[in-house]
Amino acid sequence: GDSVTQMEGPVTLSEEAFLTINCTYTATGYPSLFWYVQYPGEGLQLLLKATKADDKGSNKGFEATYRKETTSFHLEKGSVQVSDSAVYFCALIHTGNQFYFGTGTSLTVIP
Amino acid sequence: DVKVTQSSRYLVKRTGEKVFLECVQDMDHENMFWYRQDPGLGLRLIYFSYDVKMKEKGDIPEGYSVSREKKERFSLILESASTNQTSMYLCASSLISGLYEQYFGPGTRLTVT
Repeated sequence: GDSVTQMEGPVTLSEEAFLTINCTYTATGYPSLFWYVQYPGEGLQLLLKATKADDKGSNKGFEATYRKETTSFHLEKGSVQVSDSAVYFCALIHTGNQFYFGTGTSLTVIP
Repeated sequence: DVKVTQSSRYLVKRTGEKVFLECVQDMDHENMFWYRQDPGLGLRLIYFSYDVKMKEKGDIPEGYSVSREKKERFSLILESASTNQTSMYLCASSLISGLYEQYFGPGTRLTVT
């Protein structure tokens, strides 16, 4: 069945460091892929998405490219800030209405 | 902006109590979902609904039921709360057709003592 695997956390970075959070998926066909962010004490917010192969989603300096050949959707940011500290979830939707989420990666950015 | 609201941010209940968690969305979405979120386990789908009075079991429906009497409102019911249901509960909604994103509420942190 469909599934999402993302890198284990927690991740701790210094401010202005480069961020990569790996995400790979298993699905037949062409799912839509998403990154959600959850700030402390809040629900999940959509960060970015991509709906077809080679699409690049971007928002707030974050980027992810839909790679069909490697079934990946890695999240990147060139220079993280303290305010980026949150939990990041990779997710997919394929057929039907059900989303599949990764287990989340906690990011802490220190000044 | 899509808004999904949940009736409580924090809730403390005793073992054996009947618990109602309410969720309301204001964007006329057909789909609504209930998840629970636990450390190390991510989000797990409890139930979802794609129309009024329709419901489908998710991955972990045991111990829960749901009600959707109106399109904008989706309730999660714990018939007899147990300590292993202590968790963060998240409600979400989405459009029914196409591969659309889900919109989440702020969550309800439920503690069962």
